[in-house]
Amino acid sequence: GDSVTQMEGPVTLSEEAFLTINCTYTATGYPSLFWYVQYPGEGLQLLLKATKADDKGSNKGFEATYRKETTSFHLEKGSVQVSDSAVYFCALSTLENTGTASKLTFGTGTRLQVTL
Amino acid sequence: ETGVTQSPTHLIKTRGQQVTLRCSSQSGHNTVSWYQQALGQGPQFIFQYYREEENGRGNFPPRFSGLQFPNYSSELNVNALELDDSALYLCASSRLLAGAYEQYFGPGTRLTVT
Repeated sequence: GDSVTQMEGPVTLSEEAFLTINCTYTATGYPSLFWYVQYPGEGLQLLLKATKADDKGSNKGFEATYRKETTSFHLEKGSVQVSDSAVYFCALSTLENTGTASKLTFGTGTRLQVTL
Repeated sequence: ETGVTQSPTHLIKTRGQQVTLRCSSQSGHNTVSWYQQALGQGPQFIFQYYREEENGRGNFPPRFSGLQFPNYSSELNVNALELDDSALYLCASSRLLAGAYEQYFGPGTRLTVT
């Protein structure tokens, strides 16, 4: 079955540091890949996505590139801020034969804490 | 555009009771999915509804059931509650954009079973 593996957290960084959160996946089909962010006490917010190999998703300074050869979708940001402190989830989804979205399969999440 | 809403925000139930959680999908989205997120874990897929029919189910027992209504709102029902059902329950509605389905999540309902 499909699965997503994320690096263990928590990740603690100083403000303006470079961020990388590793994500690798296993999928039977050709998935779309996503990063979601969850702030304390809230639901999940879609951060970025990529739908095919070599696509780069980007939003709010975060980037991730769909690497089919290494089955990876690592999240990066050049300069983190205190406001980026949250839990980040890597996820994948494939299209069903009905043309509808399949379930999202999530990693376990990586907590990021950014300090001044 | 109105986002996904869920009610109630928090709920406390006793083991053995039944609970109904509600979700209003984002306008124009005809697919809704439910997820269970235990503390410190990633969300786990419960089931999905498309055009008022179940369209996929995760590894959850039959006491987890759902409905989708013509206006695309949805309910999650859980019977015979167990302590392990304590979790954040998330509803997500989907739209197709640029070749992929994006799922938009509501804020969740925090269920505590005592």
